[in-house]
Amino acid sequence: GAGVSQSPSNKVTEKGKDVELRCDPISGHTALYWYRQSLGQGLEFLIYFQGNSAPDKSGLPSDRFSAERTGGSVSTLTIQRTQQEDSAVYLCASSLGVGGANVLTFGAGSRLTVL
Amino acid sequence: GQQLNQSPQSMFIQEGEDVSMNCTSSSIFNTWLWYKQDPGEGPVLLIALYKAGELTSNGRLTAQFGITRKDSFLNISASIPSDVGIYFCAGHNQNRDDKIIFGKGTRLHILP
Repeated sequence: GAGVSQSPSNKVTEKGKDVELRCDPISGHTALYWYRQSLGQGLEFLIYFQGNSAPDKSGLPSDRFSAERTGGSVSTLTIQRTQQEDSAVYLCASSLGVGGANVLTFGAGSRLTVL
Repeated sequence: GQQLNQSPQSMFIQEGEDVSMNCTSSSIFNTWLWYKQDPGEGPVLLIALYKAGELTSNGRLTAQFGITRKDSFLNISASIPSDVGIYFCAGHNQNRDDKIIFGKGTRLHILP
């Protein structure tokens, strides 16, 4: 597609439920990044993919968070047993390659609210 | 871990005023980026800086990559209503890893 597409745009869930957030990057972009934006906070790095591989998972907040990417395209961020502190906007971005020389194009985000 | 300190956190200015915001880091970056986020949207790249000392303009926006490689600033001249939003600095050091680290943002408000 023309841009990075994220779904759902809004998700309200109950504490303890699992959620899946999806990111469709720009076609041909090999790098994909996930960030979390909490209210009034900056963009917290979660994980990035080069192709289907995630070289650095150290940004994931806990073992309840996981992410995968298949076919070098779509990525899914899964949060298990959601907690209220997981409430945030989850932003996905893609670029032609990894690193700062490659422009990140962001999606509009998935707003997660955990009740 | 790597930290980017961005200031000010928020600014309230009159239309037409110039704006200045900056970002400092505890470690060296070899790329500095400035993004803007409008409400309900993802951040969009404004300016990219790749060389220490580099000064780059994009219309009314000017940004500089500090000589120490640990800081950068963004200036906006003659602000207009559509400049409202959150401005983020971001840094990357390819010699360290492929993470692009963002600051906490500067929220710009323009008073009527």
